Amino acid sequence: QKEVEQNSGPLSVPEGAIASLNCTYSDRGSQSFFWYRQYSGKSPELIMSIYSNGDKEDGRFTAQLNKASQYVSLLIRDSQPSDSATYLCAVNPWSLWQLTFGSGTQLTVLP
Amino acid sequence: ETGVTQTPRHLVMGMTNKKSLKCEQHLGHNAMYWYKQSAKKPLELMFVYSLEERVENNSVPSRFSPECPNSSHLFLHLHTLQPEDSALYLCASSQKSLGQGEFYEQYFGPGTRLTVT
Repeated sequence: QKEVEQNSGPLSVPEGAIASLNCTYSDRGSQSFFWYRQYSGKSPELIMSIYSNGDKEDGRFTAQLNKASQYVSLLIRDSQPSDSATYLCAVNPWSLWQLTFGSGTQLTVLP
Repeated sequence: ETGVTQTPRHLVMGMTNKKSLKCEQHLGHNAMYWYKQSAKKPLELMFVYSLEERVENNSVPSRFSPECPNSSHLFLHLHTLQPEDSALYLCASSQKSLGQGEFYEQYFGPGTRLTVT
């Protein structure tokens, strides 16, 4: 069983719409959760971190965490073509010195 | 320079060559990481250094040899690589808590695109 699962996509949304990206994880003791954006040929860029249940908002981005359901999501409001990228979910399993990454969801925002 | 830097950005090497990748972080962090990213695969953690001590080695072949001389610098020494080692090699750093259960954001360098011929 994969430790961090994401829909690979591609996910296409029209410009101005809300893009919803989802991630589930297997280690119930996980404490820290991150979303990275990776443009083609570039390195991952941290866009959100979340540690507590609930929502965390930063500009057009909202991260949502539900530890009981082992589920973390990223909402992108007013999507722009520049948001087109692969979004990586990363989870820090309890007691491990590492992040476990999902395979990423490819998002395309259509003008 | 700011953030995490990596050199070289691109590297082509033969299977019998020896080369080194360099990473430098300017963020005052105390943990550094090497990752491998192959096409269509998740990021794979290779090595973790915390306070210059290796704390994680995820079953990486011995043809990859890391070195961390101080908390700002990290090297990956390469020798007798195979074509399947061609990938994007990413360095990252974070301010890692010394206790369990706390983890701070990792910041990545631009990566080295390695091609083994």
